[in-house]
Amino acid sequence: QQQVKQSPQSLIVQKGGISIINCAYENTAFDYFPWYQQFPGKGPALLIAIRPDVSEKKEGRFTISFNKSAKQFSLHIMDSQPGDSATYFCAAAPHSAGKLIFGQGTTLQVKP
Amino acid sequence: SAVISQKPSRDICQRGTSLTIQCQVDSQVTMMFWYRQQPGQSLTLIATANQGSEATYESGFVIDKFPISRPNLTFSTLTVSNMSPEDSSIYLCSVERRNTEAFFGQGTRLTVV
Repeated sequence: QQQVKQSPQSLIVQKGGISIINCAYENTAFDYFPWYQQFPGKGPALLIAIRPDVSEKKEGRFTISFNKSAKQFSLHIMDSQPGDSATYFCAAAPHSAGKLIFGQGTTLQVKP
Repeated sequence: SAVISQKPSRDICQRGTSLTIQCQVDSQVTMMFWYRQQPGQSLTLIATANQGSEATYESGFVIDKFPISRPNLTFSTLTVSNMSPEDSSIYLCSVERRNTEAFFGQGTRLTVV
């Protein structure tokens, strides 16, 4: 059973625009919600993560918004750059940050 | 972050054979994890490898197919046994730090012909 649903599957954004990727989860035992960035031929790199005790976390141009009641969280990339073009995965984990359930991934293309 | 080295980075193998993938971490970690990423797909957890105990496998994965060793706190291996073309995937090692962050190696790209 799929437990983390991610949308959209692909996204095209103009340079300088805002990229928004959404995820929804089902299991209320999840308490760790990271986002990973993956470039072709590379392993996923941790971008930013949040715990359910806060509703928003910002690191540079990347922001996670978290809605516990709706069981949804999203990644916002401000001032998107061509170098941000990659596949982004949301994930969730119960208790252990290592046992991750991944969303399906979003391929982001930022056009110059 | 953690420095995670995987070997080999890629391999092409004949069906019916086995491949052992190595994962080396730059510092001691309690838990190591193995994931599979099928072509164009997301990541799926195969198993959790704890030092001093048998690996714990997720639903759909069995020890006979994916035996795992964890001889110490910085090293683990995953073997893909009796391979078929359906096993063609990227296999990734991951470690957890302070129960707050999980880091991945670069992966092993396996092609079975």
